[in-house]
Amino acid sequence: ETGVTQSPTHLIKTRGQQVTLRCSSQSGHNTVSWYQQALGQGPQFIFQYYREEENGRGNFPPRFSGLQFPNYSSELNVNALELDDSALYLCASSPWTSNTQYFGPGTRLTVL
Amino acid sequence: SQQGEEDPQALSIQEGENATMNCSYKTSINNLQWYRQNSGRGLVHLILIRSNEREKHSGRLRVTLDTSKKSSSLLITASRAADTASYFCATDGSNYKLTFGKGTLLTVNP
Repeated sequence: ETGVTQSPTHLIKTRGQQVTLRCSSQSGHNTVSWYQQALGQGPQFIFQYYREEENGRGNFPPRFSGLQFPNYSSELNVNALELDDSALYLCASSPWTSNTQYFGPGTRLTVL
Repeated sequence: SQQGEEDPQALSIQEGENATMNCSYKTSINNLQWYRQNSGRGLVHLILIRSNEREKHSGRLRVTLDTSKKSSSLLITASRAADTASYFCATDGSNYKLTFGKGTLLTVNP
């Protein structure tokens, strides 16, 4: 059984640029959630995807968007990057019927 | 916004000692979960306790839940250096998102 994977591991962008982060969910999991974790803080929920549809969103602006594909993998897109977007971005997958989420190793995004 | 608040923010103990971390939350929940994070990497699920449960055990872990006080505690017995990590509580009042606290940084000294 393959766990949740994320790419890339690290990324450096400049303010105003756009970024795409990728996530492959664990085998058998049809739900993907994305979280942002700033340094020294707990993860903050961005949004969740189920069956390729957004199924709930946290307090993040529209420049944070996502996609889920038929194989349940997912992308997080952030437009017009700001310095405060520097964080660890975590993807988590789960079966729809489970409350437990399985996290990937994260992508560390630095915005200069 | 953070739902849970862990206490203490940091805890340093010797190997073999027990470690207790507390979590308080603000709104009604369905479940409360504890996760561990090593060195800013991905989170690992440790244990889930449902709102109608008061205590749960898993190996060296013991979790309690007091819904009247909106609080939970995580006890790690006979700690090991490998337990050094940040520990987060997370609540899921709705079926689609987890709300995390700021975490407790546990250091277990050999």
